[in-house]
Amino acid sequence: AQSVAQPEDQVNVAEGNPLTVKCTYSVSGNPYLFWYVQYPNRGLQFLLKYITGDNLVKGSYGFEAEFNKSQTSFHLKKPSALVSDSALYFCAVRGPMDSSYKLIFGSGTRLLVRP
Amino acid sequence: NAGVTQTPKFQVLKTGQSMTLQCAQDMNHEYMSWYRQDPGMGLRLIHYSVGAGITDQGEVPNGYNVSRSTTEDFPLRLLSAAPSQTSVYFCASSYSRLGNTEAFFGQGTRLTVV
Repeated sequence: AQSVAQPEDQVNVAEGNPLTVKCTYSVSGNPYLFWYVQYPNRGLQFLLKYITGDNLVKGSYGFEAEFNKSQTSFHLKKPSALVSDSALYFCAVRGPMDSSYKLIFGSGTRLLVRP
Repeated sequence: NAGVTQTPKFQVLKTGQSMTLQCAQDMNHEYMSWYRQDPGMGLRLIHYSVGAGITDQGEVPNGYNVSRSTTEDFPLRLLSAAPSQTSVYFCASSYSRLGNTEAFFGQGTRLTVV
């Protein structure tokens, strides 16, 4: 069965420090991986995706993610956190063999950046 | 360019009532879907459509119906609301059904069933 795990419910980091939000996945075949961010009372916004090629993917707002096939991980990173980065972050995977083309979401990680 | 528009933003229903959540996109996207978001569970797929006239069930379809008469619109119908359907509902669209295309989400409908 396809699944996504975000092992941390919340990540706390000080402004200016690097941040990492963890994601691991389980899917048959080569995965398509996505990160989304949700601000309070808003829909999900696309941050970045990994399809193929370079394992380091750059996205919006200075975020990047590293695909590691051997560890089946796709961790989200940012070199210097901002207070405005505080939000709920979702990792999602779409399996190439899934006929419904659905996105499978992790449970979400709340990022809190303190001033 | 409005993207994906959902109405209403908030709704309170009594058990047994029916209602339709509206979703429209103006990006000429082929693929549309409905998710529900519950605390600690991420988003789960309810129904999806790969084009006008074509719909199919997702992970949690019971109690919901959909139709897609046009490319732009993808309404979600609650047939007889139950407290278990209290949730936040998101409509999403993608340029195509291909796995490498990202989804665009509406702002959500917060539904409470009492």
